[in-house]
Order: sequence, then C-alpha cells, then structure tokens
Amino acid sequence: GNSVTQMEGPVTLSEEAFLTINCTYTATGYPSLFWYVQYPGEGLQLLLKATKADDKGSNKGFEATYRKETTSFHLEKGSVQVSDSAVYFCALSGGNLSGGSNYKLTFGKGTLLTVNP
Amino acid sequence: ETGVTQTPRHLVMGMTNKKSLKCEQHLGHNAMYWYKQSAKKPLELMFVYSLEERVENNSVPSRFSPECPNSSHLFLHLHTLQPEDSALYLCASSQLPTDYYTEAFFGQGTRLTVV
Repeated sequence: GNSVTQMEGPVTLSEEAFLTINCTYTATGYPSLFWYVQYPGEGLQLLLKATKADDKGSNKGFEATYRKETTSFHLEKGSVQVSDSAVYFCALSGGNLSGGSNYKLTFGKGTLLTVNP
Repeated sequence: ETGVTQTPRHLVMGMTNKKSLKCEQHLGHNAMYWYKQSAKKPLELMFVYSLEERVENNSVPSRFSPECPNSSHLFLHLHTLQPEDSALYLCASSQLPTDYYTEAFFGQGTRLTVV
C-alpha cells in the first residue's frame, strides 16, 4: 500500500535560516503529492501540491519538487519566519489508474518546526 | 461562511456521556471525511462518505457512529468513550469522483478530552 515517510522532528531554527523537511513516499502508480501545514490549535491547511513528476509546487515562499526518480517531495524555504512555526505534513493521494481508492490521502507523521527570533 | 466548519472546538466528556461532533462544508463538495489526530501518531482516517454513502470504515470501534444526512453535513456520534479516545478530530471534504487524486480541505478540528 501507499506510505509516506518524513523526517522526524522537532526542527528548531533561527529566523531567516534555510529550511528543508525531507519526505519520501511509496506508492503504486503516479500519485499526487501535498504538503499540509497545521498552525497551533488549528486544522490542516493545504500549503502546496504537485500532481506529476518534475512539477514544482510553491506557496508563501515554500517550494517542493516532485522527484519520481527518488520518490521524494522535500519541502524547502530559503528564509523562515517566526510565523512559520507549525507542524508540516507530507501526504499523497491517487495514482491508482483504475480509480479505486484515489479518494484517500495518506499522511506522514508530521514534523514540528519551531522558529526562534 | 466558507470552507469547512466544525463544532464544538473543544469538548470534555465523561465516559458515560453521549455527545456529537458536527461538521459543515460550504464548498459544494460531495465527499466528507473524519480523521483522528493523536499525539505522536499519524493522522488516522476513520470514515469516508461519498454522495452521503459510507465508503470506508477503517475498523473504528462502534462507540464512534458517523452520520451524513446530506452532502454538506457530517456528524460523529460518541458514546461510552475511553480516555484513549482523547484526540483532535478533524473533518475534511473533497470533490469526487476523481480520476487521479483528491485534494482535501480541513476544518479546524474538535479537541476532545474524555475524563
């Protein structure tokens, strides 16, 4: 079945530092990949997505590139801010060419990011 | 109001109580989901409804009972819960069918504490 593995946290950075959160996946077919963010006390918000190989998703200064050859979708940001402190989830969906369970999202365990001033 | 709204935001209940969580989506979607988020565990998909029919029930104990009266509303009825059921319960919605993937929109969650 599908699975997502992301780096264990917590990750603590100083403001303006470079951020990478690694994510690799296992899936049949050609899934779509997502990063969700959960701010303290809130639900999950879609941060960015990529639906095919070599696509780059980007939003709010965050980027991730869908690398099929390495089955990866690492999240990066060049200069983090205190307001980026949150839990980040890598997820995948779909890729089943016969339809099937494409309505499901499979999540990683989440990575807590804390950015200090 | 837009998006996915969950009520209540916080709930404390005793093990013998009966309560319900409510979710409403204003996105015109036709599928709704319940997820459970516990500390240090991955998000667990509990139930999926597509066009008001349950299409997935991931071995969830019967003390959790979902109800989807229409495509905009989803309930989770709770009774005789255990302390280990304390968690953040998240509702989500998406548009189905989809050939390749689904993009889900989440509510803010209900923080449930069972005492």
